[in-house]
This record gives sequence, structure tokens and C-alpha cells, in this order.
Amino acid sequence: DQQVKQNSPSLSVQEGRISILNCDYTNSMFDYFLWYKKYPAEGPTFLISISSIKDKNEDGRFTVFLNKSAKHLSLHIVPSQPGDSAVYFCAASSGTYKYIFGTGTRLKVLA
Amino acid sequence: SAVISQKPSRDICQRGTSLTIQCQVDSQVTMMFWYRQQPGQSLTLIATANQGSEATYESGFVIDKFPISRPNLTFSTLTVSNMSPEDSSIYLCSVASGQGLSYEQYFGPGTRLTVT
Repeated sequence: DQQVKQNSPSLSVQEGRISILNCDYTNSMFDYFLWYKKYPAEGPTFLISISSIKDKNEDGRFTVFLNKSAKHLSLHIVPSQPGDSAVYFCAASSGTYKYIFGTGTRLKVLA
Repeated sequence: SAVISQKPSRDICQRGTSLTIQCQVDSQVTMMFWYRQQPGQSLTLIATANQGSEATYESGFVIDKFPISRPNLTFSTLTVSNMSPEDSSIYLCSVASGQGLSYEQYFGPGTRLTVT
């Protein structure tokens, strides 16, 4: 049973527009969420996190939104840049260091 | 965040052999982990590498197949034993950093293993 799901395996966005990456989870005990970016031949790079006590966290061009009632979070990238082209993973934990990762969404930003 | 290096970065191995992957961190860390990412799959936690004691394995992973060493707070190894093509994956070490119940994990560059 996949507790963390990223239902869109890929997404293409025009440079300068908004990229929205979605993530759904099933375990209501999850209370801390992370987003990672992964380039080919590199390890995942931590991007941004959000705690369940918040519904939004912003860091520069990256904003994560959390909808606890819907068990849904999303990562917004504005404006999108070609260097943002990568695979994005969401991850969730329930108060421990153990994270459950989604399967990833490949973002392609078109110049 | 800590700087994490892994060796080798990639390898092609024959079935039945074993490969040991090294993970080096530039600072002392308490929590160190090993993950696997099979082709097209998400990252799956193999085990937590405990300094000075046996690793803690997740369901589906056993010490005989994936022995782990953690001799100090900056270094760990993962061995993939008696390999089969199903072990072809990217293997990643990571460290946890944070306070209270809010941890971020930082990953090494990964080791891409192909078993023929």
C-alpha cells in the first residue's frame, strides 16, 4: 500500500510560468512533510518542508501548501526556470526520522 | 547541511558477488541511513546505521543480505551480498538533521549498481 502518492509521473511547464506538483497521503499520523529535487546521477536535494501545524511555507520561488483535511500537499514553483527540470519527490513522516517517499514527478521546464 | 560522499559512484557486478558501498560525512552525525531506489520506484529505507551497534533493518531487509557497518559518527558501509539482477538499484546514504520531531534528511550522491 503506497502511503504517499504522486499521481503525475511527469509535468511540462513553460519557462516563467507556475509549476504545481502534487502529493497525496493516506496516513493521518503524518505530521511533517518534505520536498526533494533530484537531478540525474545525483542524490536528492532537500528543498522545503512543512509541519502539520502550518498550511503554507514559502522559500523564495518555492511554496508548499498543506491541506490536512484532504491529505494533500503541493509544491508551487514560481517562476519556473529551465534549471528546475528534475524529478521531485515528496516525503512524509509521523514524528520520527523515518520518511515515506512518493514515486516522484519528472518536471520539464521548456525554454 | 553535511557534505556526504559515496564510493563507488557506480559499478557493474556479476550475479553471486558482493559489493561494499562506502559513505563518508564531513561532520559527526548521529543518524545515518541507507536507502534503495529501484528503477521507476520511490526511495525505500533499508536500515538505520547505528554507531557501535547492529543496524536496525526495515521490513523486507535482512542483515545477511545487506550487512552494514558504522564504526564511527562520520562513516558507514553497506554491503550488497550474493547479488542478483533484482539488486540493480541506486543505493543512497543519508543523514538526519533537525530538532525535536522535525528532521530533514540529506542524501549522498548515490551508487548506481547494475547486476548482470
